[in-house]
Amino acid sequence: NFMLTQPHSVSESPGKTVTISCSRSSGSIDSTFVQWYQQRPGSSPITVIYEDDQRPSGVPDRFSGSIDRSSNSASLSISGLQTEDEADYFCQSYDRSNHVVFGGGTRLTVL
Amino acid sequence: QLQLQESGPGLVKPSETLSLTCTVSEDTIGTTDSFWAWIRRPPGKGLEWIASISFTGSTYYNPSLESRVTISVDTSKTHFSLRLNSVTAADTAVYYCARGLIEIFGALMRFDPWGQGTLVTVSS
Repeated sequence: NFMLTQPHSVSESPGKTVTISCSRSSGSIDSTFVQWYQQRPGSSPITVIYEDDQRPSGVPDRFSGSIDRSSNSASLSISGLQTEDEADYFCQSYDRSNHVVFGGGTRLTVL
Repeated sequence: QLQLQESGPGLVKPSETLSLTCTVSEDTIGTTDSFWAWIRRPPGKGLEWIASISFTGSTYYNPSLESRVTISVDTSKTHFSLRLNSVTAADTAVYYCARGLIEIFGALMRFDPWGQGTLVTVSS
C-alpha cells in the first residue's frame, strides 16, 4: 500500500499563513480523496478538510485544501493564524479495497 | 447528532486480549451506508487505522495488525467491538471508534464523527 509523508512540525506567527504538505508515495494523489484532521491536546480529531478541498460547516474559511498532481501531494493551508489553531494535523486517504492510510502528523506551533 | 462512546478496561496485561466496545447513540449500524471503525494513537505517535466493518458486515484490517485483530457488530446493532490479541507495550494507545463515510464509488473514505477516545495501557 502507499504511505503519506508529512513534515514533523511547522511553526508560524499569529496572523500569518502556514501550509502543511502531505506527499503520497505511490499511486496518484488524485486517485482517491484526501482528508485533513485537526487534533488538539486531549481532544478527538475533527475534520477540517474532506474530499481534497471541501470544508465542513463550522470550519473557518481560513482553512483550505488542495492537491498538486505534479508533486503527487496534498496541502492544507491555514491563513490568519490564531493561537487556537495550534494542534496536530493529519492527512488521510484510502484505497478502493477499503484500507485507510494516515500521514504521520504535523505539529503546528503558533508562536 | 450521532455520538459514539468507547468503553473497556484501561489496563491490560501483556500477552492478554484487549477488548473494547463502541456504543452508537442512534440506531444507524446496519441501516445506513456507513462503515464503523477503530483507530488508535500511541503516546507521542500519530493516528493508526486498525479495522473497519461495513454495513454489510464485511471486515477490513490494517495489514500490520490483521493477525491479531477482530472487529464485529453486536446483534443489537447498537454496539460494535474490537478485540486485539497478544498485546504488548506497543499497543498502549488512545483508542477511538468512529463512523466511516463512503465515497461515490462505495469505498470507505473518511471518519466522522469520532468518539472521545479511551486510553488503554498494556502493563503487568
